[in-house]
Amino acid sequence: GQQLNQSPQSMFIQEGEDVSMNCTSSSIFNTWLWYKQDPGEGPVLLIALYKAGELTSNGRLTAQFGITRKDSFLNISASIPSDVGIYFCAGLQGAQKLVFGQGTRLTINP
Amino acid sequence: DGGITQSPKYLFRKEGQNVTLSCEQNLNHDAMYWYRQDPGQGLRLIYYSQIVNDFQKGDIAEGYSVSREKKESFPLTVTSAQKNPTAFYLCASSRSAQGQSPLHFGNGTRLTVT
Repeated sequence: GQQLNQSPQSMFIQEGEDVSMNCTSSSIFNTWLWYKQDPGEGPVLLIALYKAGELTSNGRLTAQFGITRKDSFLNISASIPSDVGIYFCAGLQGAQKLVFGQGTRLTINP
Repeated sequence: DGGITQSPKYLFRKEGQNVTLSCEQNLNHDAMYWYRQDPGQGLRLIYYSQIVNDFQKGDIAEGYSVSREKKESFPLTVTSAQKNPTAFYLCASSRSAQGQSPLHFGNGTRLTVT
């Protein structure tokens, strides 16, 4: 099945730094979702984007739906230890056909 | 609180045995889904159901079966035909199978088959 290209695959940063990750695809999506997964838990929805060009914030998190509808990025500002985890992007192509990226593993050094 | 409950959290089975994973939601969501997650990979869709008594195969349905007899329940059976069943299984639901309703996930069941 189709998957999204998510990068980077992993990030090692210092506490307080900003983080940026993105997802790209050769296909158009009508919705982009960003999830965070802690070890041994299910993914938790962070941000949902529904319109091309849309920029949405959730606390220190900001995500954008690319104008071409083929990409999205997620930024985390002033990272803290609880931001550690795996972040997944997901694109929706109608009728709930959700396609996931392979995840970005975020590690934070205190 | 409303949510999605998967049980058990950990499951161990011998090769050749069928095993059923439970998923219950009290969110009154119409659609439910099963995903499989392997290390270093994204989630892959096994089966989904848009409405009671109806379900469709996802990308990796071989070796799995589901039922949707009640709106709140969507159990997944991993059969002996599944060649590599050891994985983390995630159930999800969404308000509607149409439109743009985000999926909400349970906390997963880790299945180990030896």
